[in-house]
This record gives sequence, structure tokens and C-alpha cells, in this order.
Amino acid sequence: EPEVTQTPSHQVTQMGQEVILRCVPISNHLYFYWYRQILGQKVEFLVSFYNNEISEKSEIFDDQFSVERPDGSNFTLKIRSTKLEDSAMYFCASSPNGVAGGETQYFGPGTRLLVL
Amino acid sequence: GESVGLHLPTLSVQEGDNSIINCAYSNSASDYFIWYKQESGKGPQFIIDIRSNMDKRQGQRVTVLLNKTVKHLSLQIAATQPGDSAVYFCAEVSNKAAGNKLTFGGGTRVLVKP
Repeated sequence: EPEVTQTPSHQVTQMGQEVILRCVPISNHLYFYWYRQILGQKVEFLVSFYNNEISEKSEIFDDQFSVERPDGSNFTLKIRSTKLEDSAMYFCASSPNGVAGGETQYFGPGTRLLVL
Repeated sequence: GESVGLHLPTLSVQEGDNSIINCAYSNSASDYFIWYKQESGKGPQFIIDIRSNMDKRQGQRVTVLLNKTVKHLSLQIAATQPGDSAVYFCAEVSNKAAGNKLTFGGGTRVLVKP
């Protein structure tokens, strides 16, 4: 069964450093998402991406964040200058399309980011 | 109910019994709802979904009920098994025109006692 994959599984970085989290969505899916989950809290939406552009972003997704689909398979989240409060589990998700019956989002296993 | 920090509502259930997990959603314009299961250290796993033009949908051992009048969702798990121990989240799809963002509820932890 096709799965969303994410790398790395764990990332430790120093405050102020840049990190890039990588995702390979399910092939033939058209919508891509990033969510984060701070330890013990609920999953929060960061950004949705369709047709090579951001569809929607939350207030968490400020100028320090960016997303990119550099090729036909990868989808990346970049944090330019990490802060302590960016420590969280970051989940990538994808869905086939945005219409009825195709909008179910499938999640990857996550990247645990720790900012020291 | 909603969770605050680490204080997730917890449902303890005996193996073999049925479980009912409840969720209140906030946006009356949401028209698509999903239940996810999250095991420790893993990503949310799709369980079942329901559209707002339905009030009940059944899957394998799971049933989702939707009450739009009071903006309430429930997930029923029949014959709960140890492998069902996890945190369960409901999620609503809002703002479809902008990309189907999921808004998650606070989660309920289910502990299955053997």
C-alpha cells in the first residue's frame, strides 16, 4: 500500500540554524500539507500546497517557513532560523485531490525536531 | 472533550467491550469529517470518514455518527482489542476552496485493558 514517507525521523539542531524536512507524498496525489504537533498537544495545520503554490497557510507559518516541491516526488519544509518553540513533531500529508471522495489526507510518520 | 497540554481525556475499556469516543466540532460550515488514530511516535492513521449529508457510516468494527444539529461526532469501536490502544482525533475539513485544511480536535486516549 502506498505511504507518505518522511526524512529524517529525528533532527536535532541549534537555535538559529536552518533545517529542511523532507517528504515524499503518495504518487499521483495532488495536494500536499504540513502539520505540526507539539508534545502532548493536538495536531496543527501549517500549510497546504497545490499546483506548485501555497493554497493556504496558518498564522504559525510565518516568514521563517517555506515549502517547495523541487521535483516530481519530494515536498520540503524549510525553517530558516529555528527557535526553541519550533521543537515539535512535523507531519507531512497528501491527498489525491480536493473534491468529494478524494480529499482524505494520509499522513507520514513524522520528523521529530528538537531545537536546542 | 478538548485536551489541554498533556491532560488528554482517557477512556479505559475492557478488551472485547465496545468503545465510544466523542468529539465536538466548531465550524458549522464543515462538510467533511475524519477520525484518525495515532499510536505513540507515529503519524495519524486514517480510520473512517463521513460527509455532512450523512449521519452514520460503518466500516470494519468502526461506526461514525454525525449530529450536525449539535455539531457532534462519535466513533464507536466494536469488540475493542489491545491494538486499539491509541489516541483518537476527530478532524474537520474547513475552507475547502482554499485547500482542505484539517482542523483537529484535542484527542482522546483509549486504553484497552486485557
